[in-house]
Amino acid sequence: EIILTQSPATLSLSPGERATLSCRASQSVTRDLAWYQQKPGQAPRLLIYDASKRATGIPARFSGSGSGTDFTLTISSLEPEDFAVYYCQQRSNWPLTFGGGSKVEIK
Amino acid sequence: QVQLVESGGGVVQPGTSLRLSCAASGFTLTSHNMHWVRQAPGKGLEWVAFISFDGRNKYFADSVKGRFTFSRDNSKNTLYLQMNSLRAEDTAMYYCARDYGARTDFWGQGTLVTVSS
Repeated sequence: EIILTQSPATLSLSPGERATLSCRASQSVTRDLAWYQQKPGQAPRLLIYDASKRATGIPARFSGSGSGTDFTLTISSLEPEDFAVYYCQQRSNWPLTFGGGSKVEIK
Repeated sequence: QVQLVESGGGVVQPGTSLRLSCAASGFTLTSHNMHWVRQAPGKGLEWVAFISFDGRNKYFADSVKGRFTFSRDNSKNTLYLQMNSLRAEDTAMYYCARDYGARTDFWGQGTLVTVSS
């Protein structure tokens, strides 16, 4: 099973600041990595797939990068609605796995 | 518009069974691979199961393998997750989710399963 380790667990930032979230895989997942956003009481929402492709309707301030074992989700300038928990997921190998999540909270 | 509506959750005792349903609308299930993903209260996401668009290929997390089965009735545009020998650690919100190509692009709102004596 591929283990995904997300860091930091919590990121405290102010609106307008840049957020950089990391996801590290225990073995290569090539570019088969997705990022999701989840707000309290809501289902996850797909942000990024194939490591760097934005899903439909996702604002350009969200970007993904990386390949192999190291991936990054960047939010260039935080909007109030971006404070949430973010998960990475690998689709390279069965079983599919998620990282433990990174919470972006208001400072 | 695209909708996935899960149902069938509830409070059950350990060792019993439960069947979850996921009704799809706004799109045709026959064109999509599908997943179940769960989330224990206050915890992260855990992938549970996959079924291919034609039902021929299925994969399960080790934690549910041998206890859960995943089926689809394309004529009813509905998926089913049969959960047997339920344990306390199966307590979670269960989401069904749709694949579009190689990405999981749409999720239902979930149904809550509580396993408790």
